[in-house]
Amino acid sequence: NAGVTQTPKFQVLKTGQSMTLQCAQDMNHEYMSWYRQDPGMGLRLIHYSVGAGITDQGEVPNGYNVSRSTTEDFPLRLLSAAPSQTSVYFCASWSSLFPEAFFGQGTRLTVV
Amino acid sequence: SQQGEEDPQALSIQEGENATMNCSYKTSINNLQWYRQNSGRGLVHLILIRSNEREKHSGRLRVTLDTSKKSSSLLITASRAADTASYFCATDTGRRALTFGSGTRLQVQP
Repeated sequence: NAGVTQTPKFQVLKTGQSMTLQCAQDMNHEYMSWYRQDPGMGLRLIHYSVGAGITDQGEVPNGYNVSRSTTEDFPLRLLSAAPSQTSVYFCASWSSLFPEAFFGQGTRLTVV
Repeated sequence: SQQGEEDPQALSIQEGENATMNCSYKTSINNLQWYRQNSGRGLVHLILIRSNEREKHSGRLRVTLDTSKKSSSLLITASRAADTASYFCATDTGRRALTFGSGTRLQVQP
């Protein structure tokens, strides 16, 4: 039982490049979310999903796309990376039965 | 904007002392949760209090909730060096995505 797995752990991108951050959970959780955390700050919600095929925007969605084709996976796509997207990205999941969120270990992204 | 704001932003205490951190939020909630983060790693769930509860205990943790003031507090009793971390409150407003505060950085001196 791995919990929430994020890949990669570290990534350096050049401005304008695109990439996908992967998130997978093996707990059959309905709810999944993506957050970004900037130095010394809390987590800001990018996108979230309440089930396969259903996604919605959080507070800072611009520049990011998501899809949820399966319960297990919730990838986050950066369309055209910008230095302002340099951050640590966290994926989280939880279920309606036990509403405590489980977090991945994060992806540290640097855009140069 | 952040739903929750923690106070203080940073707290330094000696081992054995109690640590209290506060969280204020803006809109109605279903529940409020507290999380711990060690040095940039993933967050770990500590405790959840529902909107109809006023106080909850879990080991050395005590959390209170005042919905009339839209505020919560987390008390860690008899702190240990291992409690050094950042602590975040998170609110569930019913949209099935948590909104986090800005966090309190706790340093426990041995």
